[in-house]
Amino acid sequence: DAGVIQSPRHEVTEMGQEVTLRCKPISGHNSLFWYRQTMMRGLELLIYFNNNVPIDDSGMPEDRFSAKMPNASFSTLKIQPSEPRDSAVYFCASSLGDKGGYTFGSGTRLTVV
Amino acid sequence: GEDVEQSLFLSVREGDSSVINCTYTDSSSTYLYWYKQEPGAGLQLLTYIFSNMDMKQDQRLTVLLNKKDKHLSLRIADTQTGDSAIYFCAESPLNQAGTALIFGKGTTLSVSS
Repeated sequence: DAGVIQSPRHEVTEMGQEVTLRCKPISGHNSLFWYRQTMMRGLELLIYFNNNVPIDDSGMPEDRFSAKMPNASFSTLKIQPSEPRDSAVYFCASSLGDKGGYTFGSGTRLTVV
Repeated sequence: GEDVEQSLFLSVREGDSSVINCTYTDSSSTYLYWYKQEPGAGLQLLTYIFSNMDMKQDQRLTVLLNKKDKHLSLRIADTQTGDSAIYFCAESPLNQAGTALIFGKGTTLSVSS
């Protein structure tokens, strides 16, 4: 398995633009998680899905953030409009069951200028 | 509330043992995890321990769990420069598939030769 695949690896965009981050979880995993990592706040859970259904989106910072999981093999995290304070590394992770933990993607480094 | 606490930095010399400590607050956690993050990469699961265990050993890694004090530690024997990374402790509050892990802020391990 290729693992959790995220794209793009790097994204530089101007303030006010729409940004879409993509994630392909490991085949067969039934849970998907979006995290944001910054120096100040560490790793923050934004939202997670079980069987393609959003379970907890209380970590989504504000209405500018939205996430979808239209099928078991794809998820997107969208920021519209983007702001400089959204600059961070965004990780997607997937899991199956409770004892194996998560498999993380390599992350998308987002810079909003 | 739920919180996972770790010290932020640890510096050791090559060949010494490293001990990274973590405290958690949710006594219902059934699994506790250690993840490793190398520069520019996502988090990688190192090891985990079930809450009814006191110790788990895996090659150079030893995990100790004191459930009474809610204290978890990771010992790395014969620390190598390749062990330099950020180490995250995480708890899983419920023994269910897809429950979001709660991560600490990570301990940066620096190994000098």
